[in-house]
Amino acid sequence: EVQLVESGGGLVQPGRSLRLSCAASGFTFDDYAMHWVRQAPGKGLQWVSGINWNSGSIGYVDSVKGRFTISRDNTKNSLYLQMNSLRPEDTALYYCVKARGLYDSGVAFDIWGQGTMVTVSS
Amino acid sequence: DIVMTQSPDSLAVSLGERATINCKSSQSVFYSSNNKNYLAWYQQKPGQPPKLLIYWASTRESGVPDRFSGSGSGTDFTLTISSLQAEDVAVYFCQQYSGTPCSFGQGTKLEIK
Repeated sequence: EVQLVESGGGLVQPGRSLRLSCAASGFTFDDYAMHWVRQAPGKGLQWVSGINWNSGSIGYVDSVKGRFTISRDNTKNSLYLQMNSLRPEDTALYYCVKARGLYDSGVAFDIWGQGTMVTVSS
Repeated sequence: DIVMTQSPDSLAVSLGERATINCKSSQSVFYSSNNKNYLAWYQQKPGQPPKLLIYWASTRESGVPDRFSGSGSGTDFTLTISSLQAEDVAVYFCQQYSGTPCSFGQGTKLEIK
C-alpha cells in the first residue's frame, strides 16, 4: 500500500523552528518528486515547496523563501521540511505529497499524507 | 504567478442530478509542445486529505468513478459530476501545475439539495 506519514508538527512560539518529516512506503521513493502543501484551518490549499527526484531542483513559495528548507533522503525514503523563523501565518496542516513523476513541476499530485498540524502562537 | 478562480464557491445539487464546477486560470496552462493542459482536480472530504480525481484536464485517475469528468482548455475548465451521489459531498479544488509555483483554486463546496 502506498503511504505517506508525516510527523514533527506541534505548537511553537513565533520565531522558533520546527522540522517536519515524511516517511514514504509502498513505492520506489527516488522515482518521484515530492512536495509539501499546507492548509490553514478552514481555508484552501497552498503549495509550500517541492523537490525533484534527486534533489537537483527545488522550489519554494515566496512567503517561505529564506526560512524553510526542503530536503530528502532517498536511502531512508524520507522527505523533510526545516522551518525556521516561524510566523503565526505559517499555522496550518502540512501535507506531504507525492508527484506523479520525477520532476518538481509539470505533474499533478497523486498521493497525500494525512498531514501534521503546525501551530505558531505565543 | 498564475491565479486560479473557481465558481461557484458553493453548490447544492439534488441526488442523481448533474453538478458542474468551473475553474479559470489567469493565463493559459496549455502547452502546444505536448498538446496538454496542466490542470488537475481534487476532491477533499471532511477530515481527509485531498484526493486526485482528474489530471491533464480530462484524464481520470485510476479508480475514480466515470461519473466524474473534466473538460476545457487554455484558461477555462470544468469538472462535471454526471449523477450526484451522497458520497460526492466534498470540497473540490482545481490546480494548475504548469510551472513553479503551482497554484490551487479557492475551492467549491458541493452539498446535497
